[in-house]
Amino acid sequence: EPEVTQTPSHQVTQMGQEVILRCVPISNHLYFYWYRQILGQKVEFLVSFYNNEISEKSEIFDDQFSVERPDGSNFTLKIRSTKLEDSAMYFCASSVSGQNEKLFFGSGTQLSVL
Amino acid sequence: AQKITQTQPGMFVQEKEAVTLDCTYDTSDQSYGLFWYKQPSSGEMIFLIYQGSYDEQNATEGRYSLNFQKARKSANLVISASQLGDSAMYFCAMRESLGDYKLSFGAGTTVTVRA
Repeated sequence: EPEVTQTPSHQVTQMGQEVILRCVPISNHLYFYWYRQILGQKVEFLVSFYNNEISEKSEIFDDQFSVERPDGSNFTLKIRSTKLEDSAMYFCASSVSGQNEKLFFGSGTQLSVL
Repeated sequence: AQKITQTQPGMFVQEKEAVTLDCTYDTSDQSYGLFWYKQPSSGEMIFLIYQGSYDEQNATEGRYSLNFQKARKSANLVISASQLGDSAMYFCAMRESLGDYKLSFGAGTTVTVRA
């Protein structure tokens, strides 16, 4: 079965550094999402992306965050200047359409900000 | 207001027995989808089962079934014949058209299966 691929699986960075989390959604999918999960807490929506633009973002997704689909296959999340509280598991997800159907998740990137 | 409420932080179940995980939801949307995901200790999110708001029959996927009661706005997950590998965190989630189809997650229920 096709899957969403995320790299790296673990990322350790120093506070204030920029990080880029990478995702390769399933090839025929058109809707892309980033979620995050702080340890022991619920999964939180960050941003949705469709037709090469952000369709919705949460309060968490401030100016330090950006997303990009640079080459038609990769979908990246950039954090410009990481903070300690950005430490979390970041999940990429995709679906064929925006309808109510299964959302496929990647296996996540565990980001640790020191 | 919480869109998804999971009232059971943790549950224990004996191997080979069934367990029901509660989930209630809140939406004014007519078209929505309800999902259950499993998150083992390794961290990935594994899709288990989906129920559309217009589906008249309860969804089933192998040992997983969803007890959908639309009027009560509940979507409980039933895991039958529990196995040790079922020990994990389970999340209920909802996807609404009014919410741009993003998923809203509940707080999760930790299931521990005992031998």
